[in-house]
Amino acid sequence: DQQVKQNSPSLSVQEGRISILNCDYTNSMFDYFLWYKKYPAEGPTFLISISSIKDKNEDGRFTVFLNKSAKHLSLHIVPSQPGDSAVYFCAANCFGNEKLTFGTGTRLTIIP
Amino acid sequence: GAGVSQSPRYKVAKRGQDVALRCDPISGHVSLFWYQQALGQGPEFLTNFQNEAQLDKSGLPSDRFFAERPEGSVSTLKIQRTQQEDSAVYLCASTLLAGGADNEQFFGPGTRLTVL
Repeated sequence: DQQVKQNSPSLSVQEGRISILNCDYTNSMFDYFLWYKKYPAEGPTFLISISSIKDKNEDGRFTVFLNKSAKHLSLHIVPSQPGDSAVYFCAANCFGNEKLTFGTGTRLTIIP
Repeated sequence: GAGVSQSPRYKVAKRGQDVALRCDPISGHVSLFWYQQALGQGPEFLTNFQNEAQLDKSGLPSDRFFAERPEGSVSTLKIQRTQQEDSAVYLCASTLLAGGADNEQFFGPGTRLTVL
């Protein structure tokens, strides 16, 4: 039972354009959501997060949007850069519980 | 500064062998987590520690999996009588504080275990 789903295994975007990565979840108890970025042979690194009391969080080129009624979140990267090419994982956890539940990841490729 | 380190980076085991995977968290980090990432999947929670106390081991797949953190620093994940389905990358993460869902988890590079 996949509680966090990333339905697009891969995405290719032209350099300079917007990258939009999507994530859906089924567990209504989740109240904190995170995006991690992973390069080959490295561990995931934290990118950006959002609490369920917000619907948007922005950090530089990265913005995360949360739609609680649809149980959907998205990560926007603009403008996309070649260094953004990586696998992106959506993750979630519940208040008082640090363990993360991850999606299966989306491989983003930025085309120069 | 030093991040989370894991050793070995790669381990090949014959089916039935016992293996031990080591995690050195960031110095002073209170919480430590183990995740298993199968090929093409996202990391899945195995177990976590707050200092030396194991808080949740609900993610351990079977009683062949055992984790410890005896002095509240280095942790070892042991897998007994390895099976082919144990082949995965084992990730360790640590957080400075404990108890908050928004504590950033810092991940190590992982140990890739291949069971033949």
